[in-house]
Amino acid sequence: GENVEQHPSTLSVQEGDSAVIKCTYSDSASNYFPWYKQELGKGPQLIIDIRSNVGEKKDQRIAVTLNKTAKHFSLHITETQPEDSAVYFCAAKSAGNMLTFGGGTRLMVKP
Amino acid sequence: NAGVTQTPKFQVLKTGQSMTLQCAQDMNHNSMYWYRQDPGMGLRLIYYSASEGTTDKGEVPNGYNVSRLNKREFSLRLESAAPSQTSVYFCASSGAGPFVNTEAFFGQGTRLTVV
Repeated sequence: GENVEQHPSTLSVQEGDSAVIKCTYSDSASNYFPWYKQELGKGPQLIIDIRSNVGEKKDQRIAVTLNKTAKHFSLHITETQPEDSAVYFCAAKSAGNMLTFGGGTRLMVKP
Repeated sequence: NAGVTQTPKFQVLKTGQSMTLQCAQDMNHNSMYWYRQDPGMGLRLIYYSASEGTTDKGEVPNGYNVSRLNKREFSLRLESAAPSQTSVYFCASSGAGPFVNTEAFFGQGTRLTVV
């Protein structure tokens, strides 16, 4: 089955800096890669996703890149703000299979 | 919008006790899921229901049972709780089938401690 590794497990940045979270996956058939944000005391919420037919996708301060050859994808957050502090999960999925999540990254943005 | 609602939010059980976690969604979604979240392990799928009347095992089903009561409700039951089941449990739903690449909507979670 699919295995998703996520790094780092914790990340601390100064407000205004950029944050990068990286994930690798094992199943070359995976073609859907969502990112979820989990704020304290809440359930995960989808913030951005990318499909295997594109290499990069942006939504305001958030971007995701995908390298299918290397089987890794990354979340980039620019101009971080305190409200970006949360746990972020990457996930990977192939057709006919269920979503597999990474272990999570706790992002702390210091004012 | 309520979305996905879970009850209870917190629960402490003694080893061997049983309990049922309730989940309801008001988005008319066909598919529903139960996950557990443990530190450093992300979210692991316990059971899912692709549609009303069907349920299937996920990655970590041992020690759990589920019931898809109707299209709105999907419950998770622990028949004899064990300390290893201490975790945060999330219910989720999606509009398309579980094998379709689509967004899942999560409830706020139930923090369960088994002593």
